[in-house]
Amino acid sequence: QVQLQESGPGLVKPSETLSLTCTVSGGSIRSYYWSWIRQPPGKGLEWLGYIFYTGGSNSNPSLKSRVTISEDTAKNQISLKLTSVTAADTAVYYCARVEFYGDFHFDLWGQGTLVTVSS
Amino acid sequence: SNELTQPPSVSVSPGQTISITCSGDKLGDKYAGWYQQKPGQSPVLVIFQNTRRPSGIPERFSGYNSGNTATLTISGTQHMDEADYYCQAWDSSIVVFGGGTKLTVL
Repeated sequence: QVQLQESGPGLVKPSETLSLTCTVSGGSIRSYYWSWIRQPPGKGLEWLGYIFYTGGSNSNPSLKSRVTISEDTAKNQISLKLTSVTAADTAVYYCARVEFYGDFHFDLWGQGTLVTVSS
Repeated sequence: SNELTQPPSVSVSPGQTISITCSGDKLGDKYAGWYQQKPGQSPVLVIFQNTRRPSGIPERFSGYNSGNTATLTISGTQHMDEADYYCQAWDSSIVVFGGGTKLTVL
């Protein structure tokens, strides 16, 4: 079955760029939209953005200028870059598969990866 | 505004029915979904398109959406249902999550 695995540095310094990768196994990224969602420790979920393999994408207006989501169909991966990070960006970052059939929901999630922003 | 508001916490006795609400401006005009998240785990989709259950989700989970409120109802609540629940909607190409509700099964 399809599985998602996030990977990347667990520690990022303030003002630097957070970079994460989501590797999709068991299926092609071409068939779905994909999203990044984060969850600060002890807090709720925050949607960061989505991408389709054709390049169509959108991101949370509150983070739009800092977020870049891209795809690599050859590697079957989705990537996230978040620039100019601060301690407020400390969170578990999830990648998720989107089902987009009139509504937009997340039917499959990765296990998440904790990223801490600290010097 | 596309904010979604949930009660921070609710509690229920085993075997009883509990409803968790999610309020937002004209939410009934959009589709709502619900996610269950247990401690240390990733969220799991339990309701999508207001009322539909993904494969493998027990029938005791049901959803409804009308007016400004979407509701997740758990009938015959079990201890295993104790978790955080998040509502989610999609509007104008933007995804919004509610703040989450902690369900305690007493």
